[in-house]
Amino acid sequence: AQSVTQLDSHVSVSEGTPVLLRCNYSSSYSPSLFWYVQHPNKGLQLLLKYTSAATLVKGINGFEAEFKKSETSFHLTKPSAHMSDAAEYFCVVSDPIKAAGNKLTFGGGTRVLVKP
Amino acid sequence: NAGVTQTPKFRILKIGQSMTLQCAQDMNHNYMYWYRQDPGMGLKLIYYSVGAGITDKGEVPNGYNVSRSTTEDFPLRLELAAPSQTSVYFCASKPVPGANVLTFGAGSRLTVL
Repeated sequence: AQSVTQLDSHVSVSEGTPVLLRCNYSSSYSPSLFWYVQHPNKGLQLLLKYTSAATLVKGINGFEAEFKKSETSFHLTKPSAHMSDAAEYFCVVSDPIKAAGNKLTFGGGTRVLVKP
Repeated sequence: NAGVTQTPKFRILKIGQSMTLQCAQDMNHNYMYWYRQDPGMGLKLIYYSVGAGITDKGEVPNGYNVSRSTTEDFPLRLELAAPSQTSVYFCASKPVPGANVLTFGAGSRLTVL
């Protein structure tokens, strides 16, 4: 079985300051990991993905995430928050063995508020 | 490309009514999915399809039905709507088995009163 825990349901940052969104996972296999962003009243958009290549993954809009197997973590960071980063972020783990059935497991989400 | 298109965006139903959420994609993706998103929760898989004529249950299929008569369309039917089905529904698709990146629609917000 696999699971994903996003450690913060809400994060509030000031514009221009760093953003850290924490994600821990468990998986029986070498997982694929993803971060998706959801802006208000929009569908989910892929930010970045880890698929067993480089452990530091760069995504869109200046976000990056580091896969740490020893800590079973995949935290998302951005050096300087922008007002447009206000959204909900989901950490997702994929079971590669059951890719056809798309056994994606979603974390509960972290809502990011950016203060001017 | 339009990507994944869902209709309607919003709907209010009375308990016991039925309705169909429409999902269409124009990317020739074989794999299509329906998820529901409840407040403070991640997405839960309702049903999925790996191609026209083939559907399978996800984690939370009770109260729903799907069909896949064409590659493009994957409607989700709610029979006898219940308040527990109040949620935001997302349709998603992907092209091939190994590609785990989904393309999502904008969502359909359903309220059952």
